[in-house]
Amino acid sequence: NAGVTQTPKFRVLKTGQSMTLLCAQDMNHEYMYWYRQDPGMGLRLIHYSVGEGTTAKGEVPDGYNVSRLKKQNFLLGLESAAPSQTSVYFCASSYSWSYEQYFGPGTRLTVT
Amino acid sequence: AQTVTQSQPEMSVQEAETVTLSCTYDTSESDYYLFWYKQPPSRQMILVIRQEAYKQQNATENRFSVNFQKAAKSFSLKISDSQLGDAAMYFCAYRSARQNFVFGPGTRLSVLP
Repeated sequence: NAGVTQTPKFRVLKTGQSMTLLCAQDMNHEYMYWYRQDPGMGLRLIHYSVGEGTTAKGEVPDGYNVSRLKKQNFLLGLESAAPSQTSVYFCASSYSWSYEQYFGPGTRLTVT
Repeated sequence: AQTVTQSQPEMSVQEAETVTLSCTYDTSESDYYLFWYKQPPSRQMILVIRQEAYKQQNATENRFSVNFQKAAKSFSLKISDSQLGDAAMYFCAYRSARQNFVFGPGTRLSVLP
């Protein structure tokens, strides 16, 4: 099993450009999450999904959109990138709300 | 919203010694789960240990154990016989049915040879 994978691993964008981060999991998990990690702030939840076709906002959703068209995939979109979105992005999945999360390897995004 | 505090931004321990990382949280709920995650320089987040709040018994995983004090809302991680590979950022996290995962700011652990 590959677990949770993320594509791409690194990306540099110019202000105003758009991009999509792809997260895939092969563990048949219902719950999927997108986080951003910034120095000294731990992980902050951007958006999450409790099942195929559902999405919900987390703590810091502004400037991001998500979609969960298939159970195994969770996409994070940036429509117009800003320097404040420079961060490391992690995708995670879990079997249920009370179970541990399994994380992807992260995507380092730089917006210039 | 619930908050998770890790008051030690950095800690160091001598190889083979024992170290304890602190975590406190704020909640009014009685049913919740607590986690410790490790993030080595590779950036991969790895689950270290999980604790159910309704269980009084402290969770253990090999050299890792927790001291869960529910009334004090404290959840510290003890690493015994520290190894060089234990050097990492450690994050404490809280989860309940009403509250998504909340992570603390992390503690950077250095292991000295």
